[in-house]
Amino acid sequence: SQQGEEDPQALSIQEGENATMNCSYKTSINNLQWYRQNSGRGLVHLILIRSNEREKHSGRLRVTLDTSKKSSSLLITASRAADTASYFCATGSLQGAQKLVFGQGTRLTINP
Amino acid sequence: NAGVTQTPKFRVLKTGQSMTLLCAQDMNHEYMYWYRQDPGMGLRLIHYSVGEGTTAKGEVPDGYNVSRLKKQNFLLGLESAAPSQTSVYFCASSWAPGGGSPYEQYFGPGTRLTVT
Repeated sequence: SQQGEEDPQALSIQEGENATMNCSYKTSINNLQWYRQNSGRGLVHLILIRSNEREKHSGRLRVTLDTSKKSSSLLITASRAADTASYFCATGSLQGAQKLVFGQGTRLTINP
Repeated sequence: NAGVTQTPKFRVLKTGQSMTLLCAQDMNHEYMYWYRQDPGMGLRLIHYSVGEGTTAKGEVPDGYNVSRLKKQNFLLGLESAAPSQTSVYFCASSWAPGGGSPYEQYFGPGTRLTVT
């Protein structure tokens, strides 16, 4: 079963605009991660936020986590054409193997 | 560093045939995972390994077997392929800083498998 549900499923914006994607999950987590997947490629880790953190930044990325609402958001500022990709959230438990549970993803298209 | 590599990149099988997908990592990671990704969906965990010689079932293990004889390699086997196993298969590896729970995973480029 998929823990994370992402919203929207698809997003199309103009280059330079900001893009916001949301992820909701159902059970308690240890951390939440965001990954990017370019078409036909493997996933690339973007950022990890722990359950005791509320916000984290990495370059043009800003991630928030609200454990009371079981939700997270990923903001990409000043988008570029190269940001066109699918973005997945994945929740990690405290179990030893860190089995990630992925959402269905948001397909982001940046129009030049 | 090559990171995580997968072979083959593409494969077409007939129903009932068998095959093995190979995943190799050169980062000395303890943890390795096999996922499948179906169109419009996220990844689902098939099997995983927490170290050499150990394997465990994930969310969708039926029809697959795995082995981790060497730390750097994780093999995924399909004994009798079925059309429902048509998918893109991804391998990933991870490590645990300070011996705690592992965090981010590093993914291979994927193997696109079609079963006719």
